[in-house]
Parts: sequence; structure tokens; C-alpha cells
Amino acid sequence: ELVLTQSPGTLSLSPGERATLSCRASQSVSSSNLAWYQQKPGQAPRLLIYGASSRATGIPDRFSGSGSGTDFTLTISRLEPEDFAVYYCQHFGTSRETFGQGTKLEIK
Amino acid sequence: EVQLVESGGDLVQPGGSLRLSCAASGFTFTNYWITWVRQAPGKGLEWVANIKQSGSEKYYEDSVTGRFTVSRDNAKNSVSLQMNSLRVEDTGIYYCARHVWGALDYWGQGTLVTVSS
Repeated sequence: ELVLTQSPGTLSLSPGERATLSCRASQSVSSSNLAWYQQKPGQAPRLLIYGASSRATGIPDRFSGSGSGTDFTLTISRLEPEDFAVYYCQHFGTSRETFGQGTKLEIK
Repeated sequence: EVQLVESGGDLVQPGGSLRLSCAASGFTFTNYWITWVRQAPGKGLEWVANIKQSGSEKYYEDSVTGRFTVSRDNAKNSVSLQMNSLRVEDTGIYYCARHVWGALDYWGQGTLVTVSS
């Protein structure tokens, strides 16, 4: 069974800084089925990145995704106040979908 | 405008049943898989089930297999999640979402299920 492990659990940074979030898979996965989401309190998740590196419609270019195999990264180049939220990675497999446990990005 | 609207959440006793619905609009419903995702209070996202465009394939998370059933009515642009033998640990917000390109691109606002005596 695939497990996605996100690190760190909590990341404390200031606006303007660069954020690097990690998602590690317990086995090699297809990059085409790896996505990242942002969730703010009281809201549904929002798709940021699909196919490991493609930005979803309307997502600012400060968000970027990279990686392959077992290691994937979401990078936010310069943090804006609205970027502080929880981020999840997800893999869509042949018969199941798997989420990571999330990384909380908080204001330092 | 793409919209997914969940309904049917309620307070139910352990062992009880509940049927959630997801009404879709603004897109060609029959072109997409639909996924159910839940979120326990203060916890992360958990995949529950998904269903193929035709309804011919359905998959479930292990803890709900045999208790939950996902179905769709393509004539009514809707997906349902029948939940039986509910447990306290099934409590949470249930979201339906549209699947495309190996990701969930549109989500509903969620419906709250509370399992408690």
C-alpha cells in the first residue's frame, strides 16, 4: 500500500521568504498522477499542481512543483500573506487515491 | 460554471445509515470520475471512494469497504454515497470532487456527518 509522507509537519516562515515542502512516496509513482492542494480553514481544498509540475488554472507562478519517482517538492518562491495554509500531496493510483498527512505553513 | 454541491449530512447514531448526494452542474458529467474525500475534525484529508464515468468501476478505502456504496445517476448528474453501519470514526466533512489529469480540480463545499450517541 502506497504511503505519502510529507515534511516538515509544520513550516514557520515570513512573508517574502521561500517555502519548500516535501512529499515522499513509499514506492515509485507516476509523476502524471501526483498533485498538490492548498486548504485554508473552513474551506474546501484547492488544486494547485497536477502532473507533479503543471499549475492549475489561475494559480500564481510563485507556486511550482517538481520531482519524480519517490520524491516530490512544492515550492512557493516568495510567500504572500494568503499562502499560509495547509498543503497536501495526493497520488491517484489504479484503484485508490492516497493523500499525504499535510504540511502546515504558518507565519513566523 | 462548474459546481459540485453535497447534501445529506446529519447527526446519526453509531450503527446507523446515511445517504449523501453530490449534485453536479456546469460540465459534461459523463466525462469524469467523481471522488469522495472526508476530513475528520482537525485532521487531514482521507480518500473514501471513487466511481468511473459509466459507474462500471468503483473503488473504496479499506475501512469503508462493505459499509459504503458509491453510485451515480448520469441522467441526473449526481453521485451518491450510501453509508451503513456508521462508526464514530466516520465523523467528518465529506467532499465530492471531480477528477481530471490525475487530480481533483473542482470540489464541493462539503457536508458534515456526525456519528455520535
